[in-house]
Amino acid sequence: DTEVTQTPKHLVMGMTNKKSLKCEQHMGHRAMYWYKQKAKKPPELMFVYSYEKLSINESVPSRFSPECPNSSLLNLHLHALQPEDSALYLCASSQDRDRGSPLHFGNGTRLTVT
Amino acid sequence: GDSVTQMEGPVTLSEEAFLTINCTYTATGYPSLFWYVQYPGEGLQLLLKATKADDKGSNKGFEATYRKETTSFHLEKGSVQVSDSAVYFCALSQYSSASKIIFGSGTRLSIRP
Repeated sequence: DTEVTQTPKHLVMGMTNKKSLKCEQHMGHRAMYWYKQKAKKPPELMFVYSYEKLSINESVPSRFSPECPNSSLLNLHLHALQPEDSALYLCASSQDRDRGSPLHFGNGTRLTVT
Repeated sequence: GDSVTQMEGPVTLSEEAFLTINCTYTATGYPSLFWYVQYPGEGLQLLLKATKADDKGSNKGFEATYRKETTSFHLEKGSVQVSDSAVYFCALSQYSSASKIIFGSGTRLSIRP
């Protein structure tokens, strides 16, 4: 069982919809991440929160809006997405931002934009 | 910039065969090195890691040694099982930008019974 929980597992949305992806961890980790993974590709970093503050935004379009309500929760708000945004969205956490601290991933949300 | 290069897949082996997946990196300084595994329909899981030269990471019968002289971190297993079928990612992180883990392109491994 994964220690990082993501909901929903699957999401289909139209281009005019607004939806949110949710992520939760109870390991006391202080860094949380959103990644996007296309088929047969490695994960691509989108956002990093460190101690509940946004520390990295990898030039992600504004139709993706992250939120970190507390140290255990991470949301990704979606609005006016494009079909090319269809992908697996992975949440991850780590003890902190130290280089030796491994990432713990959730099982992802498979997003389809129609 | 920093980068990770993995051998192209897919790799198909018979059960109990010896496995090697090559990984080389380009980086300044002394990055930490990782192998992650992704089973079908799941997220990535840390398989093993090494944080300094000559360290050997090991887990579930898999091993990899941090070789600074050859800038390599090859993954090996002496006897693979069908349950090892997955995609394997080599990755590195730098002290100066620890949040930016750089992944290799991934190697798909299929094991025949």
